[in-house]
Amino acid sequence: AQSVTQLGSHVSVSEGALVLLRCNYSSSVPPYLFWYVQYPNQGLQLLLKYTSAATLVKGINGFEAEFKKSETSFHLTKPSAHMSDAAEYFCAVTTSGTYKYIFGTGTRLKVLA
Amino acid sequence: NAGVTQTPKFRILKIGQSMTLQCAQDMNHNYMYWYRQDPGMGLKLIYYSVGAGITDKGEVPNGYNVSRSTTEDFPLRLELAAPSQTSVYFCASSYSIGLDGLLTEAFFGQGTRLTVV
Repeated sequence: AQSVTQLGSHVSVSEGALVLLRCNYSSSVPPYLFWYVQYPNQGLQLLLKYTSAATLVKGINGFEAEFKKSETSFHLTKPSAHMSDAAEYFCAVTTSGTYKYIFGTGTRLKVLA
Repeated sequence: NAGVTQTPKFRILKIGQSMTLQCAQDMNHNYMYWYRQDPGMGLKLIYYSVGAGITDKGEVPNGYNVSRSTTEDFPLRLELAAPSQTSVYFCASSYSIGLDGLLTEAFFGQGTRLTVV
């Protein structure tokens, strides 16, 4: 069975500081991994995805994530936080033949001025 | 470019009432999903469908029903509303790539905020 663990339900960073949101997955077969962002009162929007091509994936708004099989991780980073990055972020996994996504519990990012 | 459309956006129900949350997608996606989102709990899968006429239970199906008579529509039915069903409901759709049925990303609607009192 697949699962996703997001460490830290709340993360605060100063504007201009590095953003690091952690995601670890569990899967017995090669996974596809996703990061989504949710702004208040909105649906989820895809930030980036790992689909077994490059292990370093670049997404929208300056975010990127690195797939590390040995660590079963897919952490999301951004070199310099902006106030507009304040939102909730979700990591998700799917695998071949399951036809569904499993989501983490989310990390709420707060950006301090 | 409508994508995934959910109606209504907000609804207040009394305990015991029933309602249908509507979801439609115009991307010809085979796969459709209903999730509920509760604070601190992430998204929990209620039901999903791999194509017209085929539905299956997710993690939290109790108290809900679905149908998929067309590729475009995937309504979620609450028969006897309970306070525990107060939540934000999201519909999503997706498609698979390659021969092994691996999904690409899911596309989400804007959500329906439901309160049961």
